[in-house]
Amino acid sequence: GDSVTQMEGPVTLSEEAFLTINCTYTATGYPSLFWYVQYPGEGLQLLLKATKADDKGSNKGFEATYRKETTSFHLEKGSVQVSDSAVYFCALSDPGGGADGLTFGKGTHLIIQP
Amino acid sequence: GAGVSQTPSNKVTEKGKYVELRCDPISGHTALYWYRQSLGQGPEFLIYFQGTGAADDSGLPNDRFFAVRPEGSVSTLKIQRTERGDSAVYLCASSLDREPTGELFFGEGSRLTVL
Repeated sequence: GDSVTQMEGPVTLSEEAFLTINCTYTATGYPSLFWYVQYPGEGLQLLLKATKADDKGSNKGFEATYRKETTSFHLEKGSVQVSDSAVYFCALSDPGGGADGLTFGKGTHLIIQP
Repeated sequence: GAGVSQTPSNKVTEKGKYVELRCDPISGHTALYWYRQSLGQGPEFLIYFQGTGAADDSGLPNDRFFAVRPEGSVSTLKIQRTERGDSAVYLCASSLDREPTGELFFGEGSRLTVL
């Protein structure tokens, strides 16, 4: 079945540091890929997405590129802020593989210190 | 607000009791999903509704779990004879249709604790 693997947390960085959160996937079909974010006390919300190979999703200074050859969708940000502290989930959608909804990774807790 | 609303936000119950969790999706969204999130894990798919019908219930762990959406809007997740292992955050999400790009709008979840 489909699966998503992302780096274990927590990840602790200083403000203005460069961020990378690794994500790799396995899928039966040809999936769309997502990063969702969960801020403290809030529900999951979509951060960015990419629907085909070599697409780059971007939002709020975050970027991720759909790499089919390495089955990866790593999240990056050039200069993090304290307000970026949250839990980040990599996910995929693979309706062509017979799955409904999203398959999520375990989440990575990001802590940004001032 | 116009987002997905879930009630209760917290529920504490005793082992063996019956529990209902409610989800009110975004108006006009025909697709509705239930997920379960255990501590330290990502959300796990439980069931998907398209309109009133359960299009995919393959994620329900056993027959103690059941969900309905009788009018194609509000949904209720029902758990019978609760067990301690059922303790988790139950998330509801909705989308405008069954979107292949998979963008879902989530509620804040119902945290269930079974003592």
